Amino acid sequence: GIQVEQSPPDLILQEGANSTLRCNFSDSVNNLQWFHQNPWGQLINLFYIPSGTKQNGRLSATTVATERYSLLYISSSQTTDSGVYFCAANWNTGNQFYFGTGTSLTVIP
Amino acid sequence: SQTIHQWPATLVQPVGSPLSLECTVEGTSNPNLYWYRQAAGRGLQLLFYSVGIGQISSEVPQNLSASRPQDRQFILSSKKLLLSDSGFYLCAWSQQGSLGEQYFGPGTRLTVT
Repeated sequence: GIQVEQSPPDLILQEGANSTLRCNFSDSVNNLQWFHQNPWGQLINLFYIPSGTKQNGRLSATTVATERYSLLYISSSQTTDSGVYFCAANWNTGNQFYFGTGTSLTVIP
Repeated sequence: SQTIHQWPATLVQPVGSPLSLECTVEGTSNPNLYWYRQAAGRGLQLLFYSVGIGQISSEVPQNLSASRPQDRQFILSSKKLLLSDSGFYLCAWSQQGSLGEQYFGPGTRLTVT
């Protein structure tokens, strides 16, 4: 079956530290997205990145589709970065998206 | 700009009662629509998706059903709720076609007692 795996499952950082979150997928993808779920449950779009590299402020993401992984970089972390980060992908076979199990990030002051 | 609404925001229902959650999208036409469930704060599970009015695909067999009576309206229903139906229900939309970025509503937190 289709697999999307994220690592690490949990991460605790000191404020100001950098981190890398990883998303592996089992097949070629048409669409790869990263989301941040805030403490109120809202899923916030971070990146739409089926391939290549994008940056938005302290966050950046890279997807290497041929090697079936994507990375999310968080630099100079802040307490407001805390929450769960999800990647999601869809394939050529349909319109449905498949989510990874998430990385729970806690940034402590 | 496009917006997506869900209601109610929270719901407490007894076991065996019916359920109706509603999702509407504004500012776009003919979107793909999705229902997800999230249990225990992790792992979104795709329940249903729809590519058009009256077209529903089910991903997981369960006592839930979905309907799309209008282009931008998606409804999640149950005739009799189970304790295991508790969770956070999220509606999402994307543009038609497999390359569409998806956008999520604020969610409904359902507790079945």
